[in-house]
Amino acid sequence: QVQLQESGPALVKPSETLSLTCSVSGGSITSYYWSWVRQSPGKGLEWIGYIYYGERTTHYGGRTKYSPSLKSRVTISLDTSKNQFSLNLRSVTAADTAVYYCTRDRPGVIPYFDYWGPGTLVTVSS
Amino acid sequence: SYELIQPPSVSVSPGQTARITCSGDALPKKYAYWYQRKSGQAPVLVIYEDSKRPSGIPERFSGSSSRTRATLTISGAQVDDEADYFCYSTDSSDNRVFGGGTKLTVL
Repeated sequence: QVQLQESGPALVKPSETLSLTCSVSGGSITSYYWSWVRQSPGKGLEWIGYIYYGERTTHYGGRTKYSPSLKSRVTISLDTSKNQFSLNLRSVTAADTAVYYCTRDRPGVIPYFDYWGPGTLVTVSS
Repeated sequence: SYELIQPPSVSVSPGQTARITCSGDALPKKYAYWYQRKSGQAPVLVIYEDSKRPSGIPERFSGSSSRTRATLTISGAQVDDEADYFCYSTDSSDNRVFGGGTKLTVL
């Protein structure tokens, strides 16, 4: 059974960088795509981006894709030695306050999220 | 950017049928998926590929899609079904997209 667990600071100051890590157990991070999704208070779910590190990738450190609305501020990376992947979101504002989830993307005609972490609330405030 | 449009809220009495819609221009070519999110919990997939039900999801949950609209139907809704429901799909550039969410009230 695959399990995901987010970790990181619960409070981040405006203009600083939000950093979260997702620890994956029950499966190798070198397979599948892995995403970050968030939900701001009173708003819907928002996909942030994914990373993939498979046998066929030619990009050291994984291949990434980010939401167009966040692309300029986001970096997702992975650490195969720890079976973890991470999110960095730069120059945060109060609008980035949200519950952040890490997920596994199940491949298919349309990839979708089949395993989720429990989520972690990050508040942006001075 | 691509959008999936859902009504903000739907309300039904216990035992009635709840229908939640999701509109998107690409839905004639793209599958729709539905997630249920209860307060304080991670989302759970209740319908995939328009109309398929994952194992463990009650039979009262069903899905359909026609033209630019996908529909999640909960037949005989129960109080336990109160939650936010999100449709999900992808756009032509493989960006993952969620609908704005629909709050289902059963009372």
